[in-house]
Amino acid sequence: DQQVKQNSPSLSVQEGRISILNCDYTNSMFDYFLWYKKYPAEGPTFLISISSIKDKNEDGRFTVFLNKSAKHLSLHIVPSQPGDSAVYFCAARGNSGNTPLVFGKGTRLSVIA
Amino acid sequence: NAGVMQNPRHLVRRRGQEARLRCSPVKGHSHVYWYRQLPEEGLKFMVYLQKENIIDESGMPKERFSAEFPKEGPSILRIQQVVRGDSAAYFCASSPRLSGGPDTQYFGPGTRLTVL
Repeated sequence: DQQVKQNSPSLSVQEGRISILNCDYTNSMFDYFLWYKKYPAEGPTFLISISSIKDKNEDGRFTVFLNKSAKHLSLHIVPSQPGDSAVYFCAARGNSGNTPLVFGKGTRLSVIA
Repeated sequence: NAGVMQNPRHLVRRRGQEARLRCSPVKGHSHVYWYRQLPEEGLKFMVYLQKENIIDESGMPKERFSAEFPKEGPSILRIQQVVRGDSAAYFCASSPRLSGGPDTQYFGPGTRLTVL
């Protein structure tokens, strides 16, 4: 039973264009959502997060949108750069205590120069 | 300010041997999590520890696996009598003391375990 789903295993985008990575979740108890970026042979690196009390959080080229009624969130990267090529993981957790993260399977983003 | 350290980065064991994976959290972080990633999969939670206490081990197999986070020293994930299915990347993450809201977890580079 996958509580966090990333239905696109891969995505290719031209340099300079927008990358949109999507994530759906099923557990209505999730209250906090994070995106991590992972390069091969490295650990995941925290990118950006959003609390369920917000519908948007922006940090430089990265923006996360949350649609709580649809249980859907998306990560927008604009403009996309070749260095953004990596696997992006969506993760979710409850808002009480330091609860473990539940991860999606990841989306491999390739930014083509 | 060093990040999460894990060693070894690569570990090869034969079936039936023991594997010990070490994790040193970010200085000042008192919460440690272990996750496992199988090929083409996302990270799956195994165990959550604070200093000297296991808080949540619901994701860890009941047999052969154990974890500790002693008062002094790194957190250890121990796998006894390894089998081929234990081959995976094992990631440790740490977060600071709870400050009234959810804290971001910061990950180490992982230990890649290969069981021959």
